[in-house]
Amino acid sequence: AQTVTQSQPEMSVQEAETVTLSCTYDTSESDYYLFWYKQPPSRQMILVIRQEAYKQQNATENRFSVNFQKAAKSFSLKISDSQLGDAAMYFCAYRRGNKLVFGAGTILRVKS
Amino acid sequence: EAGVTQFPSHSVIEKGQTVTLRCDPISGHDNLYWYRRVMGKEIKFLLHFVKESKQDESGMPNNRFLAERTGGTYSTLKVQPAELEDSGVYFCASSWRAYNEQFFGPGTRLTVL
Repeated sequence: AQTVTQSQPEMSVQEAETVTLSCTYDTSESDYYLFWYKQPPSRQMILVIRQEAYKQQNATENRFSVNFQKAAKSFSLKISDSQLGDAAMYFCAYRRGNKLVFGAGTILRVKS
Repeated sequence: EAGVTQFPSHSVIEKGQTVTLRCDPISGHDNLYWYRRVMGKEIKFLLHFVKESKQDESGMPNNRFLAERTGGTYSTLKVQPAELEDSGVYFCASSWRAYNEQFFGPGTRLTVL
């Protein structure tokens, strides 16, 4: 079965500090896309960052970056200089054909 | 430009009743997806429309679920009759092409009592 595992149900971070959310996945494909989505409370899910598996360079979007380890099938999200607005549920996903396969999510709490 | 919208935002029904969820995709997006998240679990794919045709309905749990997309615009997902295990958040997403970014709606929280 092709799955996505997020081992941290909840994480907390102090404002302005850095936090890393972990994600591992299992796929038999060699070329695929990985994503991190953010869902703030009572709001819609938005794409935070995406990584193409054939690219060795880790993707970066402003304060968000990933550590993509293809051999280990690991795709962690690092949030630097955390802000109160980063508080949300974060979902890791990969695209399998036309559909997204998601993990169970990690709730991120940001303390002021 | 309006994003993906879903109606209602919440629905509470009794077991055995019928509920219809609606999704309006971003204008011009031919691809429409339904996903569901049961409490605390992962978000799971239900089905994929390309225009009005069902491209992939491999994730539909059983025949109590019926999805339609009349005219290739908005889509409805009907649950009839609803069971307790149908409770969860139903997400809709749309994309211009199948391999483009999927844009999600805010979800409909369904509670079956």
